[in-house]
Amino acid sequence: RKEVEQDPGPFNVPEGATVAFNCTYSNSASQSFFWYRQDCRKEPKLLMSVYSSGNEDGRFTAQLNRASQYISLLIRDSKLSDSATYLCVVKPNFNKFYFGSGTKLNVKP
Amino acid sequence: DGGITQSPKYLFRKEGQNVTLSCEQNLNHDAMYWYRQDPGQGLRLIYYSQIVNDFQKGDIAEGYSVSREKKESFPLTVTSAQKNPTAFYLCATQNARTSGRNEQFFGPGTRLTVL
Repeated sequence: RKEVEQDPGPFNVPEGATVAFNCTYSNSASQSFFWYRQDCRKEPKLLMSVYSSGNEDGRFTAQLNRASQYISLLIRDSKLSDSATYLCVVKPNFNKFYFGSGTKLNVKP
Repeated sequence: DGGITQSPKYLFRKEGQNVTLSCEQNLNHDAMYWYRQDPGQGLRLIYYSQIVNDFQKGDIAEGYSVSREKKESFPLTVTSAQKNPTAFYLCATQNARTSGRNEQFFGPGTRLTVL
């Protein structure tokens, strides 16, 4: 079983739509969680960390559900510039990070 | 400017040749990592280092070697023993000393193609 699993998509949504991605992880002892954004042929860039109580950054909201071992990312009022691949990242209680294969988002005009 | 640099951006290699990918950082981060990414796949860990003169194998270390002689530098050598080396190689750092978020930061990557 993979450490981190994501729906590869693509999610095709119109501008202004709300879209949500989920990601499941297998190691119940995982301590840190992140969402990264990766544009085509570029390096991943941190979008936001995911805290136990959930957190929001502008149009982006991240949630953690430890009981069901998943994290989610909600994007409100989608922009064309949100088109990218979103990587779910989980860090167990040592210095390794596990990456999902990414969920591709296409925002259409 | 603070950051992570990787060179070269594109690299072409003939089969049977060893190549070395450079990764340099001036963020004063202790931990450094090498990943490879294949099309449509997630990042897979090759090697990582938490301190100078020490490094550990990741999940796919076969056919690769690294060194960590300086805090700022973590070069990766792709040897001829690596069967499928064509991939996008990403170097990352982490400020392992701070508590809290301790996220990774990535360099711009090197795209290696074996001809």
